[in-house]
Amino acid sequence: ETGVTQTPRHLVMGMTNKKSLKCEQHLGHNAMYWYKQSAKKPLELMFVYNFKEQTENNSVPSRFSPECPNSSHLFLHLHTLQPEDSALYLCASSPSGEGGGYTFGSGTRLTVV
Amino acid sequence: QKEVEQNSGPLSVPEGAIASLNCTYSDRGSQSFFWYRQYSGKSPELIMFIYSNGDKEDGRFTAQLNKASQYVSLLIRDSQPSDSATYLCAVVHLGDSSYKLIFGSGTRLLVRP
Repeated sequence: ETGVTQTPRHLVMGMTNKKSLKCEQHLGHNAMYWYKQSAKKPLELMFVYNFKEQTENNSVPSRFSPECPNSSHLFLHLHTLQPEDSALYLCASSPSGEGGGYTFGSGTRLTVV
Repeated sequence: QKEVEQNSGPLSVPEGAIASLNCTYSDRGSQSFFWYRQYSGKSPELIMFIYSNGDKEDGRFTAQLNKASQYVSLLIRDSQPSDSATYLCAVVHLGDSSYKLIFGSGTRLLVRP
């Protein structure tokens, strides 16, 4: 248990489905992040939230929609995804938005069929 | 030019040897540097961070930073088979409105028994 919990661990969805990924951190951190990890590619930053305000959207397609209701919870809403969106989606948190070491969740392995 | 570059490997060393992992970065203004270890199918876990030029030791791990050369490395002494994993170098980058952690693609380390 890393203090950052992600659910579900695995998700298979069709291209017309709508699903949501959930992340919860129990570390008292103020910043939360979504990363995408595809095979043989670096971790790609998707979104940054600092004190529940979005401070970064790294040119992510609108079929990915983040939500951060408070500093402890982060969601990624998914709709009309493409097969190339299949990847490991990692949530992370840090004490502040000033670049301290991140703690990662276990990730959600997403497969789009 | 990639922001954070690592040799993908695999780097193969015998048990008990020193493994040397290298990373270069492009943002001369970066101040904080991190090494993460990622086992296959798992999320990254923080093993070292370094902010100042020189060496920083923690157990069998030594991080080395040379800001003038924009180079950071990780040495693992007395390598064990359990050290076999992908090692990710990460650099804090100040974007338009927030700090963010930019990752290299990782170096895969294999420690042979």
